[in-house]
Amino acid sequence: EADIYQTPRYLVIGTGKKITLECSQTMGHDKMYWYQQDPGMELHLIHYSYGVNSTEKGDLSSESTVSRIRTEHFPLTLESARPSHTSQYLCASSELKRGIYGYTFGSGTRLTVV
Amino acid sequence: DAKTTQPNSMESNEEEPVHLPCNHSTISGTDYIHWYRQLPSQGPEYVIHGLTSNVNNRMASLAIAEDRKSSTLILHRATLRDAAVYYCILDYQLIWGAGTKLIIKP
Repeated sequence: EADIYQTPRYLVIGTGKKITLECSQTMGHDKMYWYQQDPGMELHLIHYSYGVNSTEKGDLSSESTVSRIRTEHFPLTLESARPSHTSQYLCASSELKRGIYGYTFGSGTRLTVV
Repeated sequence: DAKTTQPNSMESNEEEPVHLPCNHSTISGTDYIHWYRQLPSQGPEYVIHGLTSNVNNRMASLAIAEDRKSSTLILHRATLRDAAVYYCILDYQLIWGAGTKLIIKP
């Protein structure tokens, strides 16, 4: 049973629309992440958070924003979707403690912008 | 940049052992080494992790070099279901490399 949940699983949306990808985890992990991955390609970090009210940008400028108002919830928002945003978006969380700094990933949201 | 380097791809025959290498020459003394795998259309999933000693679990074994600058993930008897991308990362590593795409030949 998944401990980190992403919704929706698939999304097809028109150019210019505002969308929010949801991510929730039930493990009480402090750190959460959003990665973008095209088919057969590397994971690219777009945002991460060390805890409530903490957010940082990753190495990929994706024109998206995130918020972390609650420990368990880390939504990703695209203000104006473009075809270049078509990709898979993976949410993950992790413990802070060294040695059990293991990632748990959600099943992903596959986004298509037409 | 990713702190680990891995070959882009490897091939193996079904039911044979597979040794997946990873170099991490800048590892610090307290960094754990973690391995994940990503099946098609899924997020990465945990495989195994270790610090200094070799580790075994039901999925795989992890052999860590004495100087800790490299490690090897060992699948003792690969099956078609083991075909995936395998990632090696260190503690606190945010940037993942491309991993190794493991191809299993029937």
